[in-house]
Amino acid sequence: SQELEQSPQSLIVQEGKNLTINCTSSKTLYGLYWYKQKYGEGLIFLMMLQKGGEEKSHEKITAKLDEKKQQSSLHITASQPSHAGIYLCGAALTDSWGKLQFGAGTQVVVTP
Amino acid sequence: GAGVSQSPRYKVAKRGQDVALRCDPISGHVSLFWYQQALGQGPEFLTYFQNEAQLDKSGLPSDRFFAERPEGSVSTLKIQRTQQEDSAVYLCASTKLGAFNTEAFFGQGTRLTVV
Repeated sequence: SQELEQSPQSLIVQEGKNLTINCTSSKTLYGLYWYKQKYGEGLIFLMMLQKGGEEKSHEKITAKLDEKKQQSSLHITASQPSHAGIYLCGAALTDSWGKLQFGAGTQVVVTP
Repeated sequence: GAGVSQSPRYKVAKRGQDVALRCDPISGHVSLFWYQQALGQGPEFLTYFQNEAQLDKSGLPSDRFFAERPEGSVSTLKIQRTQQEDSAVYLCASTKLGAFNTEAFFGQGTRLTVV
């Protein structure tokens, strides 16, 4: 979706290193979701952010939504092989929550 | 069931054939969504149900695509006269409450290949 840009498109990180993925919208976000997908499989819910400035963490993954609610970042600390996969951000761009726009995804490869 | 179940997992259809894809949402989940994911892309919204009511079908790419959820539980996405451009993974998701302001659970998807 051109309304939601994800960067980088892909990244290779050495095990133990940190990584950050960004998701930028041209519109104000009513809600922002981060999902993880392994090739050929469904999406696994990671986190949901709604309020400007909100930050959530789960294990080694932290997601933030900026104050203007137009950009979110996903940060993984001390990456592990289990963190490999495709990370997708999905956003509610209107107050009709039924319709999410997704970014194109970021493929993460973790090397030994 | 424990999660959202989709069937079949894989479907190969000859061009022009009709197909039906099934989604079993989590029991009691009010909302159900269908998405289409092309290779290397993020999912694209197709349609949304709240119980048996189809509240948004703006993402259906053509009148060959039809979705229903007659009893507010199982949903079927039907594609008539399939074309090669219909080849994609079709994902179904369901949520407990009325919309996405809560965790949404996705099925594993149906990979449709039109030959």
